[in-house]
Amino acid sequence: GAGVSQSPSNKVTEKGKDVELRCDPISGHTALYWYRQSLGQGLEFLIYFQGNSAPDKSGLPSDRFSAERTGGSVSTLTIQRTQQEDSAVYLCASSLVQGKYEQYFGPGTRLTVT
Amino acid sequence: AQSVTQLDSHVSVSEGTPVLLRCNYSSSYSPSLFWYVQHPNKGLQLLLKYTSAATLVKGINGFEAEFKKSETSFHLTKPSAHMSDAAEYFCVVTTANDYKLSFGAGTTVTVRA
Repeated sequence: GAGVSQSPSNKVTEKGKDVELRCDPISGHTALYWYRQSLGQGLEFLIYFQGNSAPDKSGLPSDRFSAERTGGSVSTLTIQRTQQEDSAVYLCASSLVQGKYEQYFGPGTRLTVT
Repeated sequence: AQSVTQLDSHVSVSEGTPVLLRCNYSSSYSPSLFWYVQHPNKGLQLLLKYTSAATLVKGINGFEAEFKKSETSFHLTKPSAHMSDAAEYFCVVTTANDYKLSFGAGTTVTVRA
């Protein structure tokens, strides 16, 4: 079956603009995760959804970042008033349930803020 | 809390020779451990996982890893490197009480012809 998909694959935006990143998880996976991969910070956890609920938002870097998940499926990560330090690859993953089950990753969205 | 340390940031091997990527972990609970591989400009692909079953875990593309609780290690090996193994490798830990993955800093593998 289809894996995790993300769109867009690349996004270039001007500083101060808002961006939306989309993640479509594997069908039937109840858990969905967002991570950020940047040169200086490695791979960082951002937020986790179980169904449509986000029990832990503590990884979000600032209040400019928000995420939602609807219908227990697609998730959107929104970054408001983008800054240059937001430039990174944003990775989405899903798993059957949270915990010991492996997470399957999408190809990522490369965000460049100019 | 859990964390992983990948002991080598870069490993260079000749094609056809063994590969060893070293990983030590720290976990307050019984860990689940994974190795992921990331080829240039690609997403993360799961190589193998340990979840408290057999301590020697076999993965895709000829890779395997051994869980050693006494040494808190989960080293990744492959008997014979192929050019296509050139990539970045991440050792990852989580627990049943957690949900987020904790990634090591990564090891970049270069394969020489």
